Amino acid sequence: GQNIDQPTEMTATEGAIVQINCTYQTSGFNGLFWYQQHAGEAPTFLSYNVLDGLEEKGRFSSFLSRSKGYSYLLLKELQMKDSASYLCAPVWDYKLSFGAGTTVTVRA
Amino acid sequence: EPEVTQTPSHQVTQMGQEVILRCVPISNHLYFYWYRQILGQKVEFLVSFYNNEISEKSEIFDDQFSVERPDGSNFTLKIRSTKLEDSAMYFCASSEQTGGFREQFFGPGTRLTVL
Repeated sequence: GQNIDQPTEMTATEGAIVQINCTYQTSGFNGLFWYQQHAGEAPTFLSYNVLDGLEEKGRFSSFLSRSKGYSYLLLKELQMKDSASYLCAPVWDYKLSFGAGTTVTVRA
Repeated sequence: EPEVTQTPSHQVTQMGQEVILRCVPISNHLYFYWYRQILGQKVEFLVSFYNNEISEKSEIFDDQFSVERPDGSNFTLKIRSTKLEDSAMYFCASSEQTGGFREQFFGPGTRLTVL
């Protein structure tokens, strides 16, 4: 199988910044999505990286290094509603695969 | 804003029964997908569908599963003889192009419970 490694859990306080790292195998890699999933709900799109570098979208940014097989999702100015699971989802051979997700808990 | 819809939201069935899960993808999308998520586990790819045929399928998608686009709007997943381990949330998704280039929009899911 194709490994996707991301931390299981992270906790941060409201207003803080959290960085969720993800590593994946590089063979057959096309690009990488980050999705947010609240408990019992469907994944919702956050970002997509295909080239190296940083993509910024409001409070969320995502970084990709293709040669290192590494990505991170940066969440800034955390809000309580950001408490959710964040799914790293590489695309290999044009098929999307999801990591197990990182559960982020935002505390007041 | 257009969205993917799924029915029913919750399906309860007896082991061995057939179920059909329904999805209406976003109207101008060409690629359709089914995923499942067993409670507490990761989202798993089942199948992708394009131009009225399966383009990719996973090991999970065995002979018990089938997909169909019976008309211009619906996309269905049929499980022929359900097993206890089929209990999961099933998500339908659609995209304008293949998943390597365009985001996939997910429906709200159907929670399947097999008793």
